[in-house]
Amino acid sequence: KAGVTQTPRYLIKTRGQQVTLSCSPISGHRSVSWYQQTPGQGLQFLFEYFSETQRNKGNFPGRFSGRQFSNSRSEMNVSTLELGDSALYLCASSPSTGEQTQYFGPGTRLLVL
Amino acid sequence: DQQVKQNSPSLSVQEGRISILNCDYTNSMFDYFLWYKKYPAEGPTFLISISSIKDKNEDGRFTVFLNKSAKHLSLHIVPSQPGDSAVYFCAASKPGSSNTGKLIFGQGTTLQVKP
Repeated sequence: KAGVTQTPRYLIKTRGQQVTLSCSPISGHRSVSWYQQTPGQGLQFLFEYFSETQRNKGNFPGRFSGRQFSNSRSEMNVSTLELGDSALYLCASSPSTGEQTQYFGPGTRLLVL
Repeated sequence: DQQVKQNSPSLSVQEGRISILNCDYTNSMFDYFLWYKKYPAEGPTFLISISSIKDKNEDGRFTVFLNKSAKHLSLHIVPSQPGDSAVYFCAASKPGSSNTGKLIFGQGTTLQVKP
């Protein structure tokens, strides 16, 4: 079974721009969670989507948003990029919401200049 | 506040010996704990997990021990191999609809296994 895939793998943007990252979960998995990893804050939860609905949200500003499609693929969007948004963005999938073991993709490395 | 802590940033062991990675947590509501391994430029790879109703779980060379009274868990790798060299993250989750899909991670411990 193919793992979680994320595109693009690397991205360079400038301050003020917006960015959209994509995640395809493991086949059959319907829950997708997003995390931000930075050297200072570590891995932090952004949000979870299940059945095209946001089920949970972490402590991030409204500039961070996401959505999920009927095929369980998910996108996250960051608007008005700031330098501090430079991070590794990780997507993880699990069979269903409430399933506690998550399987991660390779991540998208975002650099904001 | 850091609810999951890995107090050792790094650990170095000799090939063939035991590696013991430690993790402490502060929230007694956590009911599920996981260990992930991460290589540079890759996402975390799930290793092993344990429910709070157990105190030990084994999978091949990996064993996780949970001490609920001490709010402490540890990952034992026996025997350690050079390919185990990576960053290891401890993670925890809480039950309830307001916690769904959310893992809380420690800061990670870099393990180096020397040949």
